Amino acid sequence: GALVYQYPRRTICKSGTSMRMECQAVGFQATSVAWYRQSPQKTFELIALSTVNSAIKYEQNFTQEKFPISHPNLSFSSMTVLNAYLEDRGLYLCGARDRANSDYTFGSGTRLLVI
Amino acid sequence: LAKTTQPPSMEAYEGQEVNVSCSHTNIATSEYIYWYRQVPHQGPQFIIQGYKDYVVNEVASLFISADRKLSTLSLPWVSLRDAAVYYCIVTGYNTNTGKLTFGDGTVLTVKP
Repeated sequence: GALVYQYPRRTICKSGTSMRMECQAVGFQATSVAWYRQSPQKTFELIALSTVNSAIKYEQNFTQEKFPISHPNLSFSSMTVLNAYLEDRGLYLCGARDRANSDYTFGSGTRLLVI
Repeated sequence: LAKTTQPPSMEAYEGQEVNVSCSHTNIATSEYIYWYRQVPHQGPQFIIQGYKDYVVNEVASLFISADRKLSTLSLPWVSLRDAAVYYCIVTGYNTNTGKLTFGDGTVLTVKP
C-alpha cells in the first residue's frame, strides 16, 4: 500500500534556529507533494505544493526564503523551517500523490515546538 | 475553490450508522468531492472521493445530490476507532490546482 513517513516525529528548536524535516513516500510515486502546517488550534494551512519537474508553488504568507522545499525525486521531499519562532510551532504534514485526481496520502507529521 | 460547510460535531454509539453532511453550494464542474479524517497524533487519512451520484468502498459510502451541492458521507457500524475529525473537501482535477483546503471539519464522538 501507499505510505508516507515523516521524520522526525517531533522536534524542539530554539527560537531563531532552523529545523529540517523529511518526507518519504513508499509504495507509490510522489509526483506531487503538499506541505501543510496544522496549528495548535487544529487549523490547516497549505504552505506549498511541489510537483516534480515543475516549480514549487508557495501559498500566500509562505515563502521559499522561510520554508525552502526540496523535491529531488519521486520518493522524497524535505522542508526546512528557517529562523523558527513561536508562531511557527505546529504539526507539519506532508501529503503526497502520484497523479492528478488521486487521493493524497499523508504522513503522521513532524511536530515542531519552538522555545 | 468551493467552500464547504459541515456540522461542527456529531455523536453516535458504537454499531450505529453515521451520516455526515457537507454543503458545497459553489462547487465547480471541474471539482471533485473528497472526504478525509484525522485521528489524534496522525495526519489526515483519505476515506472516499466522488464526482456525482453514489460511490461506495470498503470503508464508507458517499451520496452526492443531483445538483452536486450536497454530499453525505455514510459510515456503517461505527466503532470507537472511527472517532475522528471528518473533513469534506472539494478540489479541482488538475495536478497543479488540486490542492486540498481543509475546513474545520466535523468532530465525531463515538460512545461505547
